[in-house]
Amino acid sequence: QSALTQPASVSGSPGQSITISCTGTNSDVGGYSYVSWYQHYSGEVPKLIIYDVNNRPSGVAHRFSGSKSGNTASLTISGLQAEDEADYYCASYTSRSTWVFGGGTKVTVL
Amino acid sequence: EVQLVETGGGLIQPGGSLRVSCAASEFTVSSTYITWVRQAPGKGLEWVSVSYAGGATYYADSVKGRFTVSRDNSKNTVDVQMSGLRVEDTAVYYCARGPNYQHFMDVWGKGITVTVSS
Repeated sequence: QSALTQPASVSGSPGQSITISCTGTNSDVGGYSYVSWYQHYSGEVPKLIIYDVNNRPSGVAHRFSGSKSGNTASLTISGLQAEDEADYYCASYTSRSTWVFGGGTKVTVL
Repeated sequence: EVQLVETGGGLIQPGGSLRVSCAASEFTVSSTYITWVRQAPGKGLEWVSVSYAGGATYYADSVKGRFTVSRDNSKNTVDVQMSGLRVEDTAVYYCARGPNYQHFMDVWGKGITVTVSS
């Protein structure tokens, strides 16, 4: 049950676009369209922002989008805003009916 | 308001046991699956367990054989009984809801702290 691989940190200036990658295996990310992304501010509750690779829950800003190619999923934040500074985690359902999270990516808005 | 509330955390010595409960409001746990996710100090989120509505339960290798999840549909709660606790189990524990036949966690509890220390 190795964690999915995410970059430790990504940064960008306001208005720019950034992309966070999430790499797994054929048994998780690559095997299913069940990748979700969570935004987590320190001391607060994780918030679902993308589900099933590229779907946004109601109320989530349109600047958040997701995609997947092979064993790697990606979260893109377009038009980066100061309020986007947070930790982001990917998660995937697995072939063992379990779940696995990525190590998390700290997004810094310069 | 749809919500989950965790109770039962605290300070426990290594090797000890603790029971953490997750209570649901405005929905029934019997119609969803409940996952447990933890975050150790300075670390990322780690999946711990999932309890499916049909009764199947799965655990991360790191807690298998030490943690046991149970449901009480009459109380609308899902509990995790932690035994053989280790220092590395110190974390904020969250319960989270996943809609049946879906594969994401859309409602999270605020989390509860479990500290394992002598």
